[in-house]
Amino acid sequence: EPEVTQTPSHQVTQMGQEVILRCVPISNHLYFYWYRQILGQKVEFLVSFYNNEISEKSEIFDDQFSVERPDGSNFTLKIRSTKLEDSAMYFCASKREQGETQYFGPGTRLLVL
Amino acid sequence: GESVGLHLPTLSVQEGDNSIINCAYSNSASDYFIWYKQESGKGPQFIIDIRSNMDKRQGQRVTVLLNKTVKHLSLQIAATQPGDSAVYFCAENPDNQGGKLIFGQGTELSVKP
Repeated sequence: EPEVTQTPSHQVTQMGQEVILRCVPISNHLYFYWYRQILGQKVEFLVSFYNNEISEKSEIFDDQFSVERPDGSNFTLKIRSTKLEDSAMYFCASKREQGETQYFGPGTRLLVL
Repeated sequence: GESVGLHLPTLSVQEGDNSIINCAYSNSASDYFIWYKQESGKGPQFIIDIRSNMDKRQGQRVTVLLNKTVKHLSLQIAATQPGDSAVYFCAENPDNQGGKLIFGQGTELSVKP
């Protein structure tokens, strides 16, 4: 069964450093998402991406964040200058069409020191 | 504002009993709802979904009930097993366009053998 994959599974970085989180969505999916989950809290929407552009973003997704689909398979989230409060699990999700279910990847645990 | 919340943060049941997990949502325009299961260190796993034109949907050992009058969603798990132990989130799709999901706080289900 196809699934969303994410790399790395864990990332430790120093405050102020740039990180890139990678995702490979399910191959025939067209809609892509990033969410984050701070430890012990609920999953929060960051950004949605369709047709090579951002379709919606939350207030969390400020100028330090960017997303890219550099090729036909990868979907990346970049944080330019990480802050301590960026420490969280970051989940990628994808879906095939509007109105269908989003499927989530296993997440990347980001720790900013 | 938009919010999806859960009535009970924890639920402990005996193996073989039925479990009921509840969720309240506030956006009356939402037309699509999903239950996800999240095991420790993993991403949300799709369980079952329901659209607003239905009030009940059944899957394998799971049933979702939707009461639009009081904006309430529930997940029923029949014959709960130890493998069902996880955190369960309801999620709401408020616009079904960009497709962002708004998650509730989560209920931790603990199944005692």
